[in-house]
Amino acid sequence: KNEVEQSPQNLTAQEGEFITINCSYSVGISALHWLQQHPGGGIVSLFMLSSGKKKHGRLIATINIQEKHSSLHITASHPRDSAVYICAVRQNSGGSNYKLTFGKGTLLTVNP
Amino acid sequence: NAGVTQTPKFQVLKTGQSMTLQCAQDMNHNSMYWYRQDPGMGLRLIYYSASEGTTDKGEVPNGYNVSRLNKREFSLRLESAAPSQTSVYFCATRAVSGSETQYFGPGTRLLVL
Repeated sequence: KNEVEQSPQNLTAQEGEFITINCSYSVGISALHWLQQHPGGGIVSLFMLSSGKKKHGRLIATINIQEKHSSLHITASHPRDSAVYICAVRQNSGGSNYKLTFGKGTLLTVNP
Repeated sequence: NAGVTQTPKFQVLKTGQSMTLQCAQDMNHNSMYWYRQDPGMGLRLIYYSASEGTTDKGEVPNGYNVSRLNKREFSLRLESAAPSQTSVYFCATRAVSGSETQYFGPGTRLLVL
């Protein structure tokens, strides 16, 4: 069983829809990251969470430490949001090395 | 600022050939990482360097070696390439302690025949 599971694997939406991508993990963590990988391959960091909720523009990320679950929401989705969204965790046992364990990613396609 | 750069962008090797993937950063970050990304799998850590002069194995180090040449540069070497090493390789950096964000290079696509 993977330590980081994302759902769904693939998601197709119409422009303007509210989107939710889920991430569940099975280990104790110090932090959880959401990243975006563009169709051209580049990877950028969106959020780092250790508790609660963060918002940046139309993107909202939440985490429930007790339930070992995080969600990434996109409001008013747009075709330019089409990308692979990746969840990654830093385990409690990672010490000071800041090593991340990654999920397989969710491929989001937003149609106009 | 270029951020994190990787060379080459694309490479084709024959089984048994060697090559070095280069990564350089101009952000003065201490930590650097090499990952590989394969279809249907998450990014996996090959090696990392917490600071200049130190390197450590990650999840999938077999078949690779690294050199942290200086604070700016972190290279990944394949001594004898195998088809199983066909992948997309990403270099990433992280700033000084206290910052979790990793900054990724554009990737190197490697095909081993």
